[in-house]
Order: sequence, then structure tokens, then C-alpha cells
Amino acid sequence: AQSVTQLDSHVSVSEGTPVLLRCNYSSSYSPSLFWYVQHPNKGLQLLLKYTSAATLVKGINGFEAEFKKSETSFHLTKPSAHMSDAAEYFCVVTPYDKIIFGKGTRLHILP
Amino acid sequence: DAGVTQSPTHLIKTRGQHVTLRCSPISGHKSVSWYQQVLGQGPQFIFQYYEKEERGRGNFPDRFSARQFPNYSSELNVNALLLGDSALYLCASSLWTAFNSGANVLTFGAGSRLTVL
Repeated sequence: AQSVTQLDSHVSVSEGTPVLLRCNYSSSYSPSLFWYVQHPNKGLQLLLKYTSAATLVKGINGFEAEFKKSETSFHLTKPSAHMSDAAEYFCVVTPYDKIIFGKGTRLHILP
Repeated sequence: DAGVTQSPTHLIKTRGQHVTLRCSPISGHKSVSWYQQVLGQGPQFIFQYYEKEERGRGNFPDRFSARQFPNYSSELNVNALLLGDSALYLCASSLWTAFNSGANVLTFGAGSRLTVL
């Protein structure tokens, strides 16, 4: 069975410092993996996706993630946090006919 | 172009009542999927519809049902409401059904927040 685990429920970083949001997955075959962001009172927005092409994936707003099969990880990073990055982030794995969200990581940006 | 629109945005019901939530997809999108997001949790997949047919179902009781209309809009119905049904209900539209295709991007609406008292 496929599953996804977000290792931190809350992450706090100072503005201008790097961001790391951790995600591990479980899959019996090569998965498709996604990161979504949810700002308050707004719908989910796709940040980036991995679908068995390049293992380093670049997304919107300076975010990127690296697929590491040996570590079953798909961590989300950004070199320099901005106040507008404060939101909830979800790691997602997709069996063909289902979609499984992690429990989310709330990112707090300190001024 | 309008995004995915959901209505109503907020509603309050009492236990045992029935609720209908509505979703209009992006023009050209033929697939609609529904999700329940309980406070503090990630969204959970409920249903997916494509061309008016159910194409996928999550682990939800039969009190939950949905349908898709010829114009590709969709309704989610929940009968015999329980306190635990209080949640944000999200709708997403896409071109087709494959969740694992990078070309088939899901576009989400802002959701309908249901409170059951």
C-alpha cells in the first residue's frame, strides 16, 4: 500500500533563511509525488511534481524537491524564505485511481 | 477564465440533516474529484467522477454520494449528518482521471466549510 508521512507538523524559520519540509513515502512501485500549498481561505495550489523524470524537481516561487529512492524521501526546500511562504504544505502520493495526502506541515516565517 | 467554484462557502447543519455541496469545474475539464479536510489534517479523497461516471472512491460510508451532470458540474451529498462530518469539503477539476500523470494537473476550489451542530 502507498502512504506518505510528513515528518514535521510545524516548521518555523526566519525570513531569508532556508526552508526544509520533510516527506517520506511508502510505495510498492515507482510513485508519482507532488507538493501542494494551502494558504488560509484558499484552495490547494500545486507547487511541483515528480513523475519519474529528473529527480531534482523545480517548482513555483523558488521551491524545489529531490526524489531520493534509496531514502524513500521527497523533501521540499527553498533557499530563502519569504513572509508570503507562510502556509500549510502537503506532500502527496498518487496510486493510479487514488490520491493520498500527508497530514501537512505548517510553515511559520519569523520576521 | 473562472477557476473551480464551490457553493456554498459556509453552512451550518444539525445532526441527522442532509447537505448538498456543489462544484463547477474549469471549462474543458471533464473530471471532478471531492475531498474532506478535517481541521488539522490533510485532505482525504472521497470520490472521482469522469464523464458522469464514478471512477474512484475513497474509504467513506454510503452516507456520502455524488453525481456529475452533463455540463461536468458535480454535487456531493451527505445524509444523516454526524458531528464528525464537520470539515472543509474541497472539489478539484482536471482534464482526465489519472492522478499520477504530471500532465493532468488538479485545480482546487476554495472549499465549502460545513459545521454540524
